[in-house]
Amino acid sequence: DAGVTQSPTHLIKTRGQHVTLRCSPISGHKSVSWYQQVLGQGPQFIFQYYEKEERGRGNFPDRFSARQFPNYSSELNVNALLLGDSALYLCASSLRQGENYGYTFGSGTRLTVV
Amino acid sequence: AQSVTQLGSHVSVSEGALVLLRCNYSSSVPPYLFWYVQYPNQGLQLLLKYTSAATLVKGINGFEAEFKKSETSFHLTKPSAHMSDAAEYFCAVSEGTGNQFYFGTGTSLTVIP
Repeated sequence: DAGVTQSPTHLIKTRGQHVTLRCSPISGHKSVSWYQQVLGQGPQFIFQYYEKEERGRGNFPDRFSARQFPNYSSELNVNALLLGDSALYLCASSLRQGENYGYTFGSGTRLTVV
Repeated sequence: AQSVTQLGSHVSVSEGALVLLRCNYSSSVPPYLFWYVQYPNQGLQLLLKYTSAATLVKGINGFEAEFKKSETSFHLTKPSAHMSDAAEYFCAVSEGTGNQFYFGTGTSLTVIP
């Protein structure tokens, strides 16, 4: 079975540009969360979606947005990129909302802003 | 508010020696606690989790952790280190709502042959 799939794996963007990151959860999983992992730090929560609705949002500016589609895949969008947005962006999926179901992480998208 | 502190950003052990990675948490509600491992250029893999059942939790690859409420700790141990254990380890805490995890800053484990 396929795990959590993220695309692209790497990309380089220029300051001020926009970026869209994509995530396909494990088949049957309806909850998707996004995390930002800056080099040398632990992941920081950005968003959680469950059944296509936003269920949680971390302390990130409005430049960050996300959505979940009817097939439960998800996109993370970042506008007006800053150098500080350079990070590994991780997507995690779960059968349902709630930690008892366990979250499976993808391998991430490495974003470099120059 | 939830938070996690991982003492020691780098830990080195000899192959076959005991592995001990420290994690202390802060939580205003009974916590759910997790350990994840991250290999270079990969995502996070769940090692084990505590969800208010047994205080000694056994995970994959021979790892285990003990929840100690009085010490607000959830240290990760493995009796005998293997070269393949070299990786970054993250402790995380979650509230009962399960909306998000709060991760520590990670501990890089080096195993010396």
